[in-house]
Amino acid sequence: DAGITQSPRHKVTETGTPVTLRCHQTENHRYMYWYRQDPGHGLRLIHYSYGVKDTDKGEVSDGYSVSRSKTEDFLLTLESATSSQTSVYFCAISVGTSGTETQYFGPGTRLLVL
Amino acid sequence: DQQVKQNSPSLSVQEGRISILNCDYTNSMFDYFLWYKKYPAEGPTFLISISSIKDKNEDGRFTVFLNKSAKHLSLHIVPSQPGDSAVYFCAASFFGNEKLTFGTGTRLTIIP
Repeated sequence: DAGITQSPRHKVTETGTPVTLRCHQTENHRYMYWYRQDPGHGLRLIHYSYGVKDTDKGEVSDGYSVSRSKTEDFLLTLESATSSQTSVYFCAISVGTSGTETQYFGPGTRLLVL
Repeated sequence: DQQVKQNSPSLSVQEGRISILNCDYTNSMFDYFLWYKKYPAEGPTFLISISSIKDKNEDGRFTVFLNKSAKHLSLHIVPSQPGDSAVYFCAASFFGNEKLTFGTGTRLTIIP
């Protein structure tokens, strides 16, 4: 257990509304990540953070923004949700030295955009 | 461009037999590889990893083999148990990257 929680765990929203997902860690890890999981695509990186206020884009960042104002919290925001953003979202933290890190994942947030 | 590929979406194996899950990669910079296991409605959990300086790593019933010349790795589970039924993802990284590239996953079903 890497001390990662995600909230909410489930959310239903309507197209065009903003949505914010929260990831919280208790162990002060520097790196945090947001992924989405979709059938046939595996896990795809949306954004990641390498410190407070330090973030970068992943491979599927369009339509998403992130913020990290505290080490323990990493927020993912869908500015205007679309049906294509219906997915399961996972947060992760990284443990270990560069080149041999292991990522540990939260329990996920299931998002349905109607 | 899928840099990490799992070409078998699903695999069924009899309980007690060996399960072999395969993964291919195209980026020759990758030098660290991991396998994750995922149950429905849960986050992926780390299973086993291997560095490119090795060709084999073993942890209990799980063994990962790495063939660098073929850019291929495999996960062997012996003996397979019903609790091994899950989706398995392989992932790859390299020094200084700080990110993982995942395959699309293989759903393993163990038949009692």
